[in-house]
Amino acid sequence: DQQVKQNSPSLSVQEGRISILNCDYTNSMFDYFLWYKKYPAEGPTFLISISSIKDKNEDGRFTVFLNKSAKHLSLHIVPSQPGDSAVYFCAASAIYDYKLSFGAGTTVTVRA
Amino acid sequence: DTAVSQTPKYLVTQMGNDKSIKCEQNLGHDTMYWYKQDSKKFLKIMFSYNNKELIINETVPNRFSPKSPDKAHLNLHINSLELGDSAVYFCASSQRGAGYEQYFGPGTRLTVT
Repeated sequence: DQQVKQNSPSLSVQEGRISILNCDYTNSMFDYFLWYKKYPAEGPTFLISISSIKDKNEDGRFTVFLNKSAKHLSLHIVPSQPGDSAVYFCAASAIYDYKLSFGAGTTVTVRA
Repeated sequence: DTAVSQTPKYLVTQMGNDKSIKCEQNLGHDTMYWYKQDSKKFLKIMFSYNNKELIINETVPNRFSPKSPDKAHLNLHINSLELGDSAVYFCASSQRGAGYEQYFGPGTRLTVT
């Protein structure tokens, strides 16, 4: 039972444009959300997070938006760079829980 | 200076064998985890230890046994390996539990033939 869903398995974007990755969740107890980036043959690396008390968090080129009523979050990357080509995982946890529930990932390809 | 390290990176073995994967973190974190990434690329939690105490044990066959000799180490031992155990196994650590980022190791690709 996937509680975190990334419905777009892949995204292709031109260098310099915006990448928008989407994530939906079903568990209303989730209150902390994270995005991870993963290159082939490496472990996921933490990118950015957001608590449920916020609706936006920004870190350089990366911004995460949270819409709690819709149980939806998105990651915006502006401007996209070739080094951003990777798999991006959305993850969520509940305050009472130690584990992260991951989405299936979205593969981003940034075209020159 | 690697924060979360795993050994080996690749492991090829035959069905029925017993194998171990080691994990070490030098971040001073209290909590460590094992995740499995299957062929469909889903990352699923298997176990979590907090201060050497088991706090998460998902529905994993009891052929899998985690061992935490101290806060900085969490090893995974697998008995009687089966073809379906082939996957990439990731170790991770975090300062505490919920609400804190988890830092992942590079993964161990296990292939059972």
